[in-house]
Amino acid sequence: EVQLVESGGDLVQPGGSLRLSCSASGFTFSNYKMNWVRQAPGKGLEWVSYISSSGSTIYYADSVQGRFTISRDNAENSLYLQIHSLRAEDTAVYYCARERLGGAAFDFWGQGTVVTVSS
Amino acid sequence: SYELTQPLSVSVALGQTARIPCGGYNIGGKDVHWYQQKPAQAPVLVIYADNNRPSGIPERFSGSNSGNTATLTISRAQAGDESDYYCQVWDPTAADWVFGGGTKLTVL
Repeated sequence: EVQLVESGGDLVQPGGSLRLSCSASGFTFSNYKMNWVRQAPGKGLEWVSYISSSGSTIYYADSVQGRFTISRDNAENSLYLQIHSLRAEDTAVYYCARERLGGAAFDFWGQGTVVTVSS
Repeated sequence: SYELTQPLSVSVALGQTARIPCGGYNIGGKDVHWYQQKPAQAPVLVIYADNNRPSGIPERFSGSNSGNTATLTISRAQAGDESDYYCQVWDPTAADWVFGGGTKLTVL
């Protein structure tokens, strides 16, 4: 069974840092492209970042460029998102999502981890 | 940057057909994916590449895409179909995944 389990969400002060993790199981993690998507309270989905299966290609949304860093450890079946200089507008549920083989779309999502930025 | 436009809400009578549009410039030239999200749950892929259903998604869900509008169609709407629905495309110019703002489907 495919599983994606996020962790690392917390209440953080503005300007703080956080590292989110996504643990994958039930599939060959190293074969899949992965993404982070977030959802602010009461708002829609916002794509955050993409990483290729090998980790060699990375993209970021303009809203997080320079503050967020995506990475992966294929040996540990894990995806990460390092977040710096947190702002109130970064408050959201953060989901990791797998891209389906053979053509985009996000076919499996984790249940999300909550990041709250507040003083 | 590329933008996708969805109505905030769509209503459908129980057992009737719901159509949820997703507008974007020349969206017909892109692959459109659709997600269903129920309250406090993660999104679920219901249609990929315009009109393909993942395993486990009922045949009642279908999609189309042409010109400047893609459409998610839900036939014989059920109470359990009440959810938020999001369309998504890849914007190669910006190397961004783009989501529509989401549509809340109400089954009356």
